[in-house]
Amino acid sequence: DGGITQSPKYLFRKEGQNVTLSCEQNLNHDAMYWYRQDPGQGLRLIYYSQIVNDFQKGDIAEGYSVSREKKESFPLTVTSAQKNPTAFYLCASRIGTGLYNEQFFGPGTRLTVL
Amino acid sequence: QKEVEQDPGPLSVPEGAIVSLNCTYSNSAFQYFMWYRQYSRKGPELLMYTYSSGNKEDGRFTAQVDKSSKYISLFIRDSQPSDSATYLCAMSARDSGAGSYQLTFGKGTKLSVIP
Repeated sequence: DGGITQSPKYLFRKEGQNVTLSCEQNLNHDAMYWYRQDPGQGLRLIYYSQIVNDFQKGDIAEGYSVSREKKESFPLTVTSAQKNPTAFYLCASRIGTGLYNEQFFGPGTRLTVL
Repeated sequence: QKEVEQDPGPLSVPEGAIVSLNCTYSNSAFQYFMWYRQYSRKGPELLMYTYSSGNKEDGRFTAQVDKSSKYISLFIRDSQPSDSATYLCAMSARDSGAGSYQLTFGKGTKLSVIP
C-alpha cells in the first residue's frame, strides 16, 4: 500500500530534551511538509522540502530542524529551544509543487512535554 | 487580518440536516480551493477541490466558490453521524519566494451530527 507513515503515534518528552519525529512516504512524491496543529489554530507550516538535500523554513520554524537526505524520508527534530512543543504534528507530501497538486497527510504524531 | 478566515464552531446538527461550512479569504492570488476532512486524532484527507467559481458536486457534498466575494462553501446534504469531523478549507497560491504553490489552511470547523 502506498502512503505516508509517521512514528511514533504518541511521544512524551521531558523538558530540555530533543526528540525526532519520523516521516516516510512511498508515493515517490517530490515535496514533503511538516505542520503543527494546535486546538483552534489550524495547520501551521514548520518546514518544507521540494527536493532532496534542500528545505525551506515555514511560518513557525524556530526551535525545529529537518533533514532531507532521501526522497522518501523527512524527519523533524523538535529541539529544546522550542518553548511550547506540545502539539499534534502532521507530515504531508505532494507529487510536485504545481497549482493542482494534492497534498496527502500522514496519521500524525502527538507530542507531549512532561 | 489573516489570509483565510474560518469559523471554528463547534457546529452541532441533527442527522439528516443540510450543513453549510464557509471560509472567506483576502488574497486574490488564491486560485485553487480545497476542503479537507479530519477525524479526531487522524490526519486530514482531501474531500473536495475546485478551481473555478461556481458549484462542484460529489454525492452528498457540494463545493461552492465565489471569487468575486472571496468566499467558499461546503454543503453536506442528508448529514450522517459519520460526517462528524473537523472540516478544513485550504487554498493554493504561488509562493514567489520559493517558486512553488503552497497551501494556506483555515483553522477548521468542528462538526457534530447527532443521531
